[in-house]
Amino acid sequence: AQKVTQAQTEISVVEKEDVTLDCVYETRDTTYYLFWYKQPPSGELVFLIRRNSFDEQNEISGRYSWNFQKSTSSFNFTITASQVVDSAVYFCALNSGGSNYKLTFGKGTLLTVNP
Amino acid sequence: DVKVTQSSRYLVKRTGEKVFLECVQDMDHENMFWYRQDPGLGLRLIYFSYDVKMKEKGDIPEGYSVSREKKERFSLILESASTNQTSMYLCASRATNEKLFFGSGTQLSVL
Repeated sequence: AQKVTQAQTEISVVEKEDVTLDCVYETRDTTYYLFWYKQPPSGELVFLIRRNSFDEQNEISGRYSWNFQKSTSSFNFTITASQVVDSAVYFCALNSGGSNYKLTFGKGTLLTVNP
Repeated sequence: DVKVTQSSRYLVKRTGEKVFLECVQDMDHENMFWYRQDPGLGLRLIYFSYDVKMKEKGDIPEGYSVSREKKERFSLILESASTNQTSMYLCASRATNEKLFFGSGTQLSVL
């Protein structure tokens, strides 16, 4: 069975603060994929990143960065210098090799960035 | 850009009605999914389809059925709607192991 845990239900920060969203996953498979999605108030989920289990390199994209650590089964997401437009629900998801089609989502973290 | 279109943004139905939620994608994706999103519960998979006429149950299939007669269209059916099926329904599609593309969702209210 696969499982994704996002322990932070809600986070509130002030603009320009850095914020890290935690994601811990469970799977018995050695081949799997991890994803982050953003759901702004408009409702449509937007893809942010995909990472496969053999690629542990951290990734940076502008103000966004991701820290993948297999040793702790974590795939954390950091927003640097947060902005009001970053306010959204963020979901971490797992697609493990044993279930080629099924993507399991965490319960999401609501991030509110206040001006 | 991939487009996943859900036929209705808001829908209000009565208890016991048969409800059809339609989803169409334009990128020839093999895989299509129906999720349900509820506050505090995140996204839960109802059904998915990996090819035409092929389907598998997700985590919460009870009370739902699906139809995929054509590759681009995946329908979710509530045979007899109940109030506990009031929710946001999200359709998604993807190529295998690639990222999911989501529709904008259908907020269904069952009265």
